Amino acid sequence: NAGVMQNPRHLVRRRGQEARLRCSPMKGHSHVYWYRQLPEEGLKFMVYLQKENIIDESGMPKERFSAEFPKEGPSILRIQQVVRGDSAAYFCASSPPLFSESSYNEQFFGPGTRLTVL
Amino acid sequence: AQSVTQLGSHVSVSEGALVLLRCNYSSSVPPYLFWYVQYPNQGLQLLLKYTTGATLVKGINGFEAEFKKSETSFHLTKPSAHMSDAAEYFCAVRGRIGDDMRFGAGTRLTVKP
Repeated sequence: NAGVMQNPRHLVRRRGQEARLRCSPMKGHSHVYWYRQLPEEGLKFMVYLQKENIIDESGMPKERFSAEFPKEGPSILRIQQVVRGDSAAYFCASSPPLFSESSYNEQFFGPGTRLTVL
Repeated sequence: AQSVTQLGSHVSVSEGALVLLRCNYSSSVPPYLFWYVQYPNQGLQLLLKYTTGATLVKGINGFEAEFKKSETSFHLTKPSAHMSDAAEYFCAVRGRIGDDMRFGAGTRLTVKP
């Protein structure tokens, strides 16, 4: 059973470009979470999604950032018109369906995408 | 709402010494508590978790943590540090099923030879 997959692992963008980060959850997982880790800081929650639904986006910046988790395919975190302050590691995590036997509220993390904005 | 405070952003110990990483939580409901480890340029790996039952939880790599409700703490310990333990450690809390997970700011552990 493959773990959470994220791609690309490293992404370089110039200011003003768009960044698209992809996350494929573990097989059987229907919940996806995105976190941002700035240099020398901890993980900050951004958004929590289920298939075709945004459950909690309280951690998402109001502008330029969006996320989706379509019925088919990976979850996408999209950053429009990137700025240098967007440079960070972005982690995706997934968890099983609620009330499943293994749902001890654990989240399984991907290796992250390191975004560098020049 | 849940939150976590990790005391000490950097902890340095000698190889073979006790490791103690502190975590205090705040939760309006009985919490689920986690410790994750992050090695350089990698994702987070679960060390251990407390859900219900025994308050002393054993994890991988010889780590353990004790849930103390009266102190709202979930400190991580290891009796004898190894060089390979050098990493960043994150404490996290989650409330009810379906709540998102809240992480502490992290503690960077350095192990000196």
